[in-house]
Amino acid sequence: AQSVTQLGSHVSVSEGALVLLRCNYSSSVPPYLFWYVQYPNQGLQLLLKYTSAATLVKGINGFEAEFKKSETSFHLTKPSAHMSDAAEYFCAVRHPNFGNEKLTFGTGTRLTIIP
Amino acid sequence: DVKVTQSSRYLVKRTGEKVFLECVQDMDHENMFWYRQDPGLGLRLIYFSYDVKMKEKGDIPEGYSVSREKKERFSLILESASTNQTSMYLCASSPLGVGAANEKLFFGSGTQLSVL
Repeated sequence: AQSVTQLGSHVSVSEGALVLLRCNYSSSVPPYLFWYVQYPNQGLQLLLKYTSAATLVKGINGFEAEFKKSETSFHLTKPSAHMSDAAEYFCAVRHPNFGNEKLTFGTGTRLTIIP
Repeated sequence: DVKVTQSSRYLVKRTGEKVFLECVQDMDHENMFWYRQDPGLGLRLIYFSYDVKMKEKGDIPEGYSVSREKKERFSLILESASTNQTSMYLCASSPLGVGAANEKLFFGSGTQLSVL
């Protein structure tokens, strides 16, 4: 079974500072990995995904993540935080087999931006 | 624009009531999912469906059932609501087997259910 662990349920960064949200995965096979974002009072939306192509993945709103097999990690970064980045971020994993699109989510990291 | 619609944003029910949460998608997706979201626990999968009249248990199916009579509609049923089912419920859909390039879940805005 696949699982993900998000380190840090709350992260605060100053506006303009680097954003780093951590995600480690556990999987018996190379998985597909995702980052979703949830803004207040909304559902989740996809930020970016890794599906066994390039290990450095670029997403929307200036976010990117790097798949590191040796570290079983898929950390999310953004060079310069903006006030609009305040949200909850979820890492998710699934088995790569066709027809098995069930996602397992992490516990989430709430990102606060300090003006 | 693609849309997943959940019938209620807020719902208050009493212990022991039968509760229906409705979800409709307009994208002709095969897959539909019900998650519950709780602080500190993230999203946990309750049930999912790959096709009409088909369902599979997720990680926490106890106390829930589902119905998928039409492709666009996926209902979550709490047979006898209990206080520990107070939560945010999120519905999602996705196409089946389109390949990694197009894969993503589309989420509704959620239903905050309070069981008193």
